[in-house]
Amino acid sequence: DGGITQSPKYLFRKEGQNVTLSCEQNLNHDAMYWYRQDPGQGLRLIYYSQIVNDFQKGDIAEGYSVSREKKESFPLTVTSAQKNPTAFYLCASSIGGVMYNEQFFGPGTRLTVL
Amino acid sequence: GNSVTQMEGPVTLSEEAFLTINCTYTATGYPSLFWYVQYPGEGLQLLLKATKADDKGSNKGFEATYRKETTSFHLEKGSVQVSDSAVYFCALSDTTGNQFYFGTGTSLTVIP
Repeated sequence: DGGITQSPKYLFRKEGQNVTLSCEQNLNHDAMYWYRQDPGQGLRLIYYSQIVNDFQKGDIAEGYSVSREKKESFPLTVTSAQKNPTAFYLCASSIGGVMYNEQFFGPGTRLTVL
Repeated sequence: GNSVTQMEGPVTLSEEAFLTINCTYTATGYPSLFWYVQYPGEGLQLLLKATKADDKGSNKGFEATYRKETTSFHLEKGSVQVSDSAVYFCALSDTTGNQFYFGTGTSLTVIP
């Protein structure tokens, strides 16, 4: 069954610690995306990648880092430089570079900084 | 640039009422248009899409028509159910298929 998995579903972190959120897809999609969602808010783009070993900053990249070493995987690291990291994080993928294609979303990871 | 504007919420309706959530867009060229639904604590799910002018997307009783002349893609359902309670996002993808733009979401609550 094809789809996107994110783990863990809930994550707690102490202030000053880095934490990595996992995102894996088996849809054979080239493009992958990370969004942040705050309560009652829309989606804000953190980073995206259109191909392996390449990625671009989105609107709110400060305090975050990513890697794209494999087509299937696009992990997001929330660093201690991110001042307000508590949020719901969504990973998405799409075929990429093709008109009419949609994004597919994972179930999300809720990060809480204690 | 590209952007999406959708109706502010929250929206509260009684079961079996008619639903309209307005969505307008700004884009260059001919974008694809989408409606996504998000249930509490979950990711977004594609509800319907339309890829060219005058296309009507439909799914689960929801419909939206791509209106290029009014740059709109309003979501409608004739008779809502309690299970339709969720947040609805209007979105577009640009003509490269690489960039996606989302509205701020509209929260819908349906009461019995």
